[in-house]
Amino acid sequence: EVQLVESGGGLVQPGGSLRLSCAASGFTFSSYAMSWVRQAPGKGLEWLSGISGAGGSTYYADSVKGRFTISRDNSKNTLFLQMNSLRADDTAVYYCAKDREMATTDFDCWGQGTLITVSS
Amino acid sequence: QSALTQPASVSGSPGQSITFSCTGTSSDVGGYNYVSWYQQHPGKAPKLMVYDVSKRPSGVSNRFSGSKSGNTASLTISGLQAEDEADYYCCSYAGTSTYVFGTGTKVTVL
Repeated sequence: EVQLVESGGGLVQPGGSLRLSCAASGFTFSSYAMSWVRQAPGKGLEWLSGISGAGGSTYYADSVKGRFTISRDNSKNTLFLQMNSLRADDTAVYYCAKDREMATTDFDCWGQGTLITVSS
Repeated sequence: QSALTQPASVSGSPGQSITFSCTGTSSDVGGYNYVSWYQQHPGKAPKLMVYDVSKRPSGVSNRFSGSKSGNTASLTISGLQAEDEADYYCCSYAGTSTYVFGTGTKVTVL
């Protein structure tokens, strides 16, 4: 069974940093591009960042470019999101999501999400 | 990278069909046949319902169908059922391996 489990969320002060993890199982992790998507409380989904299967290519939404860094460790089947200079409007549930197939443009498996609250 | 525009809410009675839209630009919806739709129940992760404008993943009911014309994509739910009550989000490829989601539509089954 394909499974994604996020961790690392919590309360952080404005200007602080946090690193999210997404542990993957049930599929050949290195063969699939992965993304991070967030959802602010009561709001819609926002795509944040993506990374190729091998990890050599990364992509970002303008809203997080320069503050967030996506990476992966294929030896540990884990996806990461390093978040710096956090602001109140970064408060959201953060999901990791898997591409449906190699070179596809949709996400067929999502984690349960991890909540980040940015507040003093 | 502005969010795609969806109606905030749509409602219908059981058994009816409803259709709602997802409007973008020529840089996203209109530029690629890569629109997907996601269903999200409260407190749950999104679920892929349609990909590549009109294709359904294995296991998704054929009551869900997608289409696109120009810069606007649409999702139709036929034979509306109580379990279809959820939020629905469109998502479009926007070039250079980036994506943009819609604002979301709350579907209510009367």
